Amino acid sequence: DTEVTQTPKHLVMGMTNKKSLKCEQHMGHRAMYWYKQKAKKPPELMFVYSYEKLSINESVPSRFSPECPNSSLLNLHLHALQPEDSALYLCASSQVFLGTAVGEDYGYTFGSGTRLTVV
Amino acid sequence: QKEVEQDPGPLSVPEGAIVSLNCTYSNSAFQYFMWYRQYSRKGPELLMYTYSSGNKEDGRFTAQVDKSSKYISLFIRDSQPSDSATYLCAMITQGGSEKLVFGKGTKLTVNP
Repeated sequence: DTEVTQTPKHLVMGMTNKKSLKCEQHMGHRAMYWYKQKAKKPPELMFVYSYEKLSINESVPSRFSPECPNSSLLNLHLHALQPEDSALYLCASSQVFLGTAVGEDYGYTFGSGTRLTVV
Repeated sequence: QKEVEQDPGPLSVPEGAIVSLNCTYSNSAFQYFMWYRQYSRKGPELLMYTYSSGNKEDGRFTAQVDKSSKYISLFIRDSQPSDSATYLCAMITQGGSEKLVFGKGTKLTVNP
């Protein structure tokens, strides 16, 4: 079983709904990520949190709103999504890349994902 | 030129074959190289990571990095039907952004 837990596993929502995706890890990782993956494509980075602060936003539309309440939890709040936002949403975590530890295993680990369908 | 190139396949082999999966890259700043296995409708599972150049072995899997050629490989020995999945290479610069750069993924089928 993966050490990054995502809930729910499946979600169907209407375009006017508000929902949240949740992610939890207990590996002591201080970097957490949201990725979006469409069918037969590699994951695309959306957001990076480092030490609970947003460090990277890959120009994601504001209908996606990330939140990192503490070092173990990561949420993705969804509002007014479009059908083209239907995808597998992946959470990941890792050690922070400080640039000082050569050859260290950063343990970049993905969860099983939430399969989101927007109708 | 894309930062990371990976042949999407599909690749089909008989059970017991040796499988070779490859990626090339253009950014010489990449230092960490990873291979992920992804089953259909599941999240990517980290198989191997390698720092800089060299080989790393774990059971039936061997990862190789040749930084001079900007070329990485994953070898699977004695392939099994359970190895049927999409294999993604990914890489990252040391001490930089935590953003992984992925290849497109190669879909592998191992036939019994």
